[in-house]
Amino acid sequence: GDSVTQTEGLVTLTEGLPVMLNCTYQSTYSPFLFWYVQHLNEAPKLLLKSFTDNKRPEHQGFHATLHKSSSSFHLQKSSAQLSDSALYYCAANNNNAPRFGAGTKLSVKP
Amino acid sequence: EAGVTQSPRYAVLQEGQAVSFWCDPISGHDTLYWYQQPRDQGPQLLVYFRDEAVIDNSQLPSDRFSAVRPKGTNSTLKIQSAKQGDTATYLCASSPDRVEQYFGPGTRLTVL
Repeated sequence: GDSVTQTEGLVTLTEGLPVMLNCTYQSTYSPFLFWYVQHLNEAPKLLLKSFTDNKRPEHQGFHATLHKSSSSFHLQKSSAQLSDSALYYCAANNNNAPRFGAGTKLSVKP
Repeated sequence: EAGVTQSPRYAVLQEGQAVSFWCDPISGHDTLYWYQQPRDQGPQLLVYFRDEAVIDNSQLPSDRFSAVRPKGTNSTLKIQSAKQGDTATYLCASSPDRVEQYFGPGTRLTVL
């Protein structure tokens, strides 16, 4: 079945440094890929969604590029902010049952 | 536009007790999902509906968990005899297109 892998459980950064959170997926089909952000005691909120036409989605300074050749959808931001500290989940959905990765906790320090 | 609403927000039970969670999806969203999110883990799909029909309940522990969506709108998830291992946040999400999901605030369950 489909699966999503996030290799880093915790990423700790200093404010102002670039962010990259890894996400790879396995699927029989070509799923839509998503990044959700979850702040403490809140529900996950959609951050980014992959496009079918290879455009690069961007939101709140974050962007991600779907690379079908490597089955990856890494999340990037050029400069981390303290308010970016949260849990980030990568998810795949091929119009069926969505699958979430284990999540990466991003901790941004001054 | 109102978001996905869930109730109760918190529940504390003794083992063996029953509990029900209620979800009201965004109006017009035909697909509704229930997830279990244990502490420090990602959401794990339990069951999802398209209108009133169950599409996938393969991850629902059928001996104690049940879920219904009788009119294709609101949904109820019930745990018959709770165990400590059921301690988690239960998230409901709805979708207009079976791709993009909108999550409710969740119900945080603690089983003592």
